[in-house]
Amino acid sequence: DTAVSQTPKYLVTQMGNDKSIKCEQNLGHDTMYWYKQDSKKFLKIMFSYNNKELIINETVPNRFSPKSPDKAHLNLHINSLELGDSAVYFCASSQVGGMNTGELFFGEGSRLTVL
Amino acid sequence: GENVEQHPSTLSVQEGDSAVIKCTYSDSASNYFPWYKQELGKGPQLIIDIRSNVGEKKDQRIAVTLNKTAKHFSLHITETQPEDSAVYFCASGASNYQLIWGAGTKLIIKP
Repeated sequence: DTAVSQTPKYLVTQMGNDKSIKCEQNLGHDTMYWYKQDSKKFLKIMFSYNNKELIINETVPNRFSPKSPDKAHLNLHINSLELGDSAVYFCASSQVGGMNTGELFFGEGSRLTVL
Repeated sequence: GENVEQHPSTLSVQEGDSAVIKCTYSDSASNYFPWYKQELGKGPQLIIDIRSNVGEKKDQRIAVTLNKTAKHFSLHITETQPEDSAVYFCASGASNYQLIWGAGTKLIIKP
């Protein structure tokens, strides 16, 4: 049973379109994250939610909007896709946040290609 | 801003030899230093971590050392095997939920 699952695994779309990536974790964790990994493998945090509340919102264009309907789900919606949005997006979760940084459990990634 | 420098970006070693990856951090408040391994087509996975009250930690063939004075920490892999080939990331954790990540090291194990 997959701990952190995200769909779709691959997404190919045209510039200007709107797309969503879904993430679910069955670990009972309170904190979930979205990371972006570019072609050079650099990992950049985008958002973090703790118990459905946004706690980290890095400098990300407002075309990216996370939504957490409950603490087990964190979805990412992207409007007006641009070529530079092409990357692998990873969802992750952890048990402990705040002063104590806990182990991150990552999903397998969603590779977004914008044409 | 705070950052973590990771070296080398690529490391090629003969199977059976040791591999060492080094990181330097800038935030004096950092107290948590994990190492993640990312295999091709997968998400990163924690392999070992160390907290600031410990200087060294071992788990079978892997070990991490921490020098808080110099703000350095390193990953050591002994008796490397083909399955050790992957991208390795170091990170440092301060008190704000957020890990600051190194740029990654591609480790290649030559047969």
